[in-house]
Amino acid sequence: VIWMTQSPSLLSASTGDRVTISCRMSQGISSYLAWYQQKPGKAPELLIYAASTLQSGVPSRFSGSGSGTDFTLTISCLQSEDFATYYCQQYYSFPRTFGQGTKVEIK
Amino acid sequence: QVQLQESGPGLVKPSETLSLTCTVSGGSISSYYWSWIRQPAGKGLEWIGRIYTSGSTNYNPSLKSRVTMSVDTSKNQFSLKLSSVTAADTAVYYCARASTAMASFDYWGQGTLVTVSS
Repeated sequence: VIWMTQSPSLLSASTGDRVTISCRMSQGISSYLAWYQQKPGKAPELLIYAASTLQSGVPSRFSGSGSGTDFTLTISCLQSEDFATYYCQQYYSFPRTFGQGTKVEIK
Repeated sequence: QVQLQESGPGLVKPSETLSLTCTVSGGSISSYYWSWIRQPAGKGLEWIGRIYTSGSTNYNPSLKSRVTMSVDTSKNQFSLKLSSVTAADTAVYYCARASTAMASFDYWGQGTLVTVSS
């Protein structure tokens, strides 16, 4: 099993801020990493796959980087609609696993 | 636009079997990988397993002894059965699609809450 450490678990920020979320793997996964956004009462939505490829329709203020064991999700200029919980997920091996989540809240 | 919709009982008694179906519309179920993922209230996401349209499966070892997945391509549906449920299986259950064997989940159902209680 590949364990994932996502940090921070809670991030307080203001509209317009640049925020970064980290995801570290217990072993290398090449670039088989995705990022999802989840709002209360809704299903997660895919933001980024293959570590850095933006899903169609996702605003360009979202970006992803990293490979191997260390990955980062960056939101360059936080908008009101970005306050949500974010999850990383590896699809390199079974079982598929998710990070614990990062809740981005209004400061 | 592909849409996924979960259906099934919202209440299951302890020790019984949870059964859910995911109906795919707006596209074919064939040649994709279909997963079940669950989320207890206020907690993170747990992958339960997946099925390919050929019927081949991969399950999470933590649930493997209790999970069975099946697919019905004629109905554009796939299903989950989880046996011997306990309160710990209470969660929102999502179905999701991956476009290839090594892909992220690009489409999700809205989720369905299943409560295990007598």
